[in-house]
Amino acid sequence: AQSVTQLDSHVSVSEGTPVLLRCNYSSSYSPSLFWYVQHPNKGLQLLLKYTSAATLVKGINGFEAEFKKSETSFHLTKPSAHMSDAAEYFCVVISNFGNEKLTFGTGTRLTIIP
Amino acid sequence: NAGVTQTPKFQVLKTGQSMTLQCAQDMNHEYMSWYRQDPGMGLRLIHYSVGAGITDQGEVPNGYNVSRSTTEDFPLRLLSAAPSQTSVYFCASSRDIAGGTDTQYFGPGTRLTVL
Repeated sequence: AQSVTQLDSHVSVSEGTPVLLRCNYSSSYSPSLFWYVQHPNKGLQLLLKYTSAATLVKGINGFEAEFKKSETSFHLTKPSAHMSDAAEYFCVVISNFGNEKLTFGTGTRLTIIP
Repeated sequence: NAGVTQTPKFQVLKTGQSMTLQCAQDMNHEYMSWYRQDPGMGLRLIHYSVGAGITDQGEVPNGYNVSRSTTEDFPLRLLSAAPSQTSVYFCASSRDIAGGTDTQYFGPGTRLTVL
């Protein structure tokens, strides 16, 4: 079985300040983890993914995430927020074995304050 | 490449009507899937396909049918629309037939309202 919990439904930060979006997961087997971004009225786009290689994963637009097995977390960070980062972000998990399909978190809406 | 395309963008139906949501991809991906997105619930898998002629149910398949006659197209049919099917529908495709670790490419979505 697998599940993912996004700890904040809404995060607001000022432009130029750090971004932290939190995600915890559970998985019966070793997981692969993803962050997808959805801009208003658009489809989802892959930001980054972890598939059992390096635990610190770098993605597009300056985002990165760190896989922490001991904490079952995969938090998304960015050192300095930009107005264009305003969007909804989804954490996604899939177990690397078994017949599971992708499980999506409920999303975190990121607002950037000018 | 156009990527994943979906039509229509918006649709309003009355209860009991039927309709087909269209999805096409030009990346020669074997794996295609349909999701629905509801407020506070993330995306939930409706049906998926690992290649032409092969489809299977996802988490929330009731009230929906799919078929896959070609690699490119994966239409979703609502047989008798209900208000509970009001949602935003996304089609996605990927190379990985297991639908797992490969990047999913999403269409722009269809916003459906059932009155």
